[in-house]
Amino acid sequence: DIQMTQSPSSLSASAGDRVTITCRASQGISNYLAWFQQKPGKAPKTLIYATSSLQSGVPSRFSGSSSGTDFTLTISSLQPEDFATYYCQQYYTYPQTFGQGTRVEIK
Amino acid sequence: EVQLLESGGGLVQPGGSLRLSCAASGFTFSIFDMNWVRQAPGKGLEWVSSITVGDTPYYVDSVKDRFTISRDNSKSTLYLQMNSLRADDTAVYYCAKGFSVDSWGQGTLVTVSS
Repeated sequence: DIQMTQSPSSLSASAGDRVTITCRASQGISNYLAWFQQKPGKAPKTLIYATSSLQSGVPSRFSGSSSGTDFTLTISSLQPEDFATYYCQQYYTYPQTFGQGTRVEIK
Repeated sequence: EVQLLESGGGLVQPGGSLRLSCAASGFTFSIFDMNWVRQAPGKGLEWVSSITVGDTPYYVDSVKDRFTISRDNSKSTLYLQMNSLRADDTAVYYCAKGFSVDSWGQGTLVTVSS
């Protein structure tokens, strides 16, 4: 199975900060990488698919990129509504696998 | 607007069975792969199963031979038949649309406990 190692597991940041979350795949997954946002008690929401494609309706402050098997989610200017937990997921092969999540908290 | 509405969750004893349903609307159900993803209390997301447009199923190892995914395109409904349930199957189960997931249901809670 492909392991997705997400870091950090949590971070504290202020509104307006630039935030970067990284996900490393244990083997090549091409560009089959998605990012999701989840707020407490709510269903996940898709932010990015195919590494860098923004889901319809998602603000442009969210972006995704990759370098080899390292994938990055960047929030260019953190907004109050962005405090949540973020997950990466590879869908290159089955079983699909998620990272363990990154909790973004208010500093 | 895409809508995914899960149902069928509840409290069940270890060894028991449940069937989850996901009623889809707002898109052409038959042309999309569909998925089940679960989240145990206080834990992260775990992919459980997918079914392709060609009806090919895939499962995480921990549910193989116990869970069965299926779809009824005439009813735009996805199912998950869960047998031999264990305490570690306790979770919120989400229905999710697409090979690359673009939409999620609100989830249904399954609690396995005596």
